[in-house]
Amino acid sequence: DSGVTQTPKHLITATGQRVTLRCSPRSGDLSVYWYQQSLDQGLQFLIQYYNGEERAKGNILERFSAQQFPDLHSELNLSSLELGDSALYFCASSVEGGAANEKLFFGSGTQLSVL
Amino acid sequence: GQQVMQIPQYQHVQEGEDFTTYCNSSTTLSNIQWYKQRPGGHPVFLIQLVKSGEVKKQKRLTFQFGEAKKNSSLHITATQTTDVGTYFCAPTGNQFYFGTGTSLTVIP
Repeated sequence: DSGVTQTPKHLITATGQRVTLRCSPRSGDLSVYWYQQSLDQGLQFLIQYYNGEERAKGNILERFSAQQFPDLHSELNLSSLELGDSALYFCASSVEGGAANEKLFFGSGTQLSVL
Repeated sequence: GQQVMQIPQYQHVQEGEDFTTYCNSSTTLSNIQWYKQRPGGHPVFLIQLVKSGEVKKQKRLTFQFGEAKKNSSLHITATQTTDVGTYFCAPTGNQFYFGTGTSLTVIP
């Protein structure tokens, strides 16, 4: 158990809909990262937050947005969903989010299926 | 962000054979980490390499960082079925980008 909690584990929705994925980082970790992993694909970095502030942005679509709340949990909002958004979405956390010796701890992911 | 390529993308080996995956960058890396993702699982940190030419071992796994800090490799000696999964390298820094990954299948 990595200590990172993601909910829900599975999500099935229809095209055009909006969903929210939730992540609670490990206790003490200030930084949260979101990744998208499509079938047989690598890990695509979406966005990083540190202590409530956006720190880095990767390949995140404009239809997607995220935030980190004062209690450090994070939510990834996906809107106007398309079939191609079907993927496994991982959240990861680290203590500070950028220190040279930091490693990431991943949650178990949310499997999103857009029908 | 720093982009790294991994080769091969897929590798099938007989149990007991060796396996190597390579991670290549066009730019010099500060540090590099390796992660393993079991089928149906999430990535798990394996190791971090920091120094030029560094070699680290974890049982049957040997990790190397190139002299120019532009490439890295992971070698598994005498693979076992428990080694199945996808291995990712990730240059560390302010943004955690991952390599393209190498998916390892071990045939019993």
